[in-house]
Amino acid sequence: GQNIDQPTEMTATEGAIVQINCTYQTSGFNGLFWYQQHAGEAPTFLSYNVLDGLEEKGRFSSFLSRSKGYSYLLLKELQMKDSASYLCAGMDSNYQLIWGAGTKLIIKP
Amino acid sequence: IAGITQAPTSQILAAGRRMTLRCTQDMRHNAMYWYRQDLGLGLRLIHYSNTAGTTGKGEVPDGYSVSRANTDDFPLTLASAVPSQTSVYFCASSEGDRGDYNEQFFGPGTRLTVL
Repeated sequence: GQNIDQPTEMTATEGAIVQINCTYQTSGFNGLFWYQQHAGEAPTFLSYNVLDGLEEKGRFSSFLSRSKGYSYLLLKELQMKDSASYLCAGMDSNYQLIWGAGTKLIIKP
Repeated sequence: IAGITQAPTSQILAAGRRMTLRCTQDMRHNAMYWYRQDLGLGLRLIHYSNTAGTTGKGEVPDGYSVSRANTDDFPLTLASAVPSQTSVYFCASSEGDRGDYNEQFFGPGTRLTVL
């Protein structure tokens, strides 16, 4: 079966760095997405990885290892506005997204 | 309008009633999607459309139907609502379905309660 695993909740301190991990099992693989979702709002796109390695975009970076079925989202210089859920989604052989349940990130001052 | 809109924002519905959730995008995206989001679960795909005139079933299609008469609109219909369809429904669109063309843009969601 297809499955996306990520931690349910994480806590970090303002100004610090946090890494949110995601492991995936999909039927075929056509890339991995990360989305941010603030409470009561719609998900918004953060990153897309299809090749191994690290993609950096400002304070956010995303890493992919296809051989390990593993990705992480790295958030630096955390700000209170980064408190949100972070959704990992793998794209399968039919180009459909398989979504994880999301990681709720709590930022403390 | 800019982006993707959904209506209504929220709705309370009696079981057995018929309901259509509306979704409109103005980005001329080819692909559109309907998801439901329940607490503790990931987004689950209900139906999708890769291009106007075509639709496909997602992971949880039972009890729902869609149509795609044109590029912009993708309504979702619950023929006879049941309490298990209580959820937040998101409509999304993407330029295409391949690679980063599958970056999906989401509407604000419809919160549906079926009593």
